[in-house]
Amino acid sequence: AAGVIQSPRHLIKEKRETATLKCYPIPRHDTVYWYQQGPGQDPQFLISFYEKMQSDKGSIPDRFSAQQFSDYHSELNMSSLELGDSALYFCASSMAGPPQETQYFGPGTRLLVL
Amino acid sequence: GQQVMQIPQYQHVQEGEDFTTYCNSSTTLSNIQWYKQRPGGHPVFLIQLVKSGEVKKQKRLTFQFGEAKKNSSLHITATQTTDVGTYFCAGGTGNQFYFGTGTSLTVIP
Repeated sequence: AAGVIQSPRHLIKEKRETATLKCYPIPRHDTVYWYQQGPGQDPQFLISFYEKMQSDKGSIPDRFSAQQFSDYHSELNMSSLELGDSALYFCASSMAGPPQETQYFGPGTRLLVL
Repeated sequence: GQQVMQIPQYQHVQEGEDFTTYCNSSTTLSNIQWYKQRPGGHPVFLIQLVKSGEVKKQKRLTFQFGEAKKNSSLHITATQTTDVGTYFCAGGTGNQFYFGTGTSLTVIP
């Protein structure tokens, strides 16, 4: 069965650089969620999209932005990267909008900021 | 803000022993979901509970949702080494979705 695809799987950036993470949801899933997980921590909700519109916002820094495109894939844009942005970034997708349906997680993108 | 706490944070058990993790929310949840994350892996959905007082079983795993829909528990009977990982509860209200702090389970063969 198709799963959530994230790219790249690993990314190394320097401070103050920008990064773009991509997420391709499971086919027919219309909702995408982004999470940030630091070492030994639980996933922190950043932002979600339903039918290409932002549906909710969590602890996403102002330096980050995201959008969902017409084919339902989503991109998380991160600017002015800081050392503390080093983390595992998960995308999850679900079918039908909020309230929460079962979220299926992608393998994650591991970002290292040097 | 809403908080979802789990206890214990870490649990070491001998293989064959039982294991329970408890999840508590500061607010009433519309539903609760449980995920398992293996080291280096991504959260994998286990189950969703919606109704007050609901109990669901998956083989050796028993999930319970509290009457007030503010707490939940996951109980594993006769743990196996394949049960190793971090177990997260997750829930929310409206459009927000919060993960619990997680319980890391180590099973000693």
